[in-house]
Amino acid sequence: DGGITQSPKYLFRKEGQNVTLSCEQNLNHDAMYWYRQDPGQGLRLIYYSQIVNDFQKGDIAEGYSVSREKKESFPLTVTSAQKNPTAFYLCASSIPLRNTEAFFGQGTRLTVV
Amino acid sequence: SQELEQSPQSLIVQEGKNLTINCTSSKTLYGLYWYKQKYGEGLIFLMMLQKGGEEKSHEKITAKLDEKKQQSSLHITASQPSHAGIYLCGAHQSNFGNEKLTFGTGTRLTIIP
Repeated sequence: DGGITQSPKYLFRKEGQNVTLSCEQNLNHDAMYWYRQDPGQGLRLIYYSQIVNDFQKGDIAEGYSVSREKKESFPLTVTSAQKNPTAFYLCASSIPLRNTEAFFGQGTRLTVV
Repeated sequence: SQELEQSPQSLIVQEGKNLTINCTSSKTLYGLYWYKQKYGEGLIFLMMLQKGGEEKSHEKITAKLDEKKQQSSLHITASQPSHAGIYLCGAHQSNFGNEKLTFGTGTRLTIIP
């Protein structure tokens, strides 16, 4: 079955450590996105990529980094520079056309302890 | 950047009643998506609206797009417990391809017996 997979579902990190969230899709989509969601809030765009080896900062990129070495994969690293990393992270992918919807993973809940 | 403001932020509705959620953009809308989210999960695609005046329905949910007002509304008729969740509107920032996909602040819908 085609889809988008995020792992792990729950992640605990010690303060000061970097952590990488995985996002893999087998939908053959060129565009991929990372969002952050805080309790009771909407989605805020962290990074997005339209094509392999290229990505752009979203609205809240500070303290995060990404790579797009393969079409299927768009990992997000939450660095120690991110001051408030505890949140729910969602990954999405789509065909890079305006009239197609994005598909979402089930999310990763990151907690800094 | 484009901002999508949703109203109300939260809504408590008695089962069987109708309700409307609004999404207003600070910039020109080139199409708009509606998604639903259960708490702690990914987003489920509901509908996509592309043209001004367009209206789409799925089961008891109807969405309309008013390009002149830069606004979309989501209407649920005869609400059911299964309608409970967070509703999010999303839009592309540019009319040149996919580019940045941003989301609104979300509306939390609670259905009471």
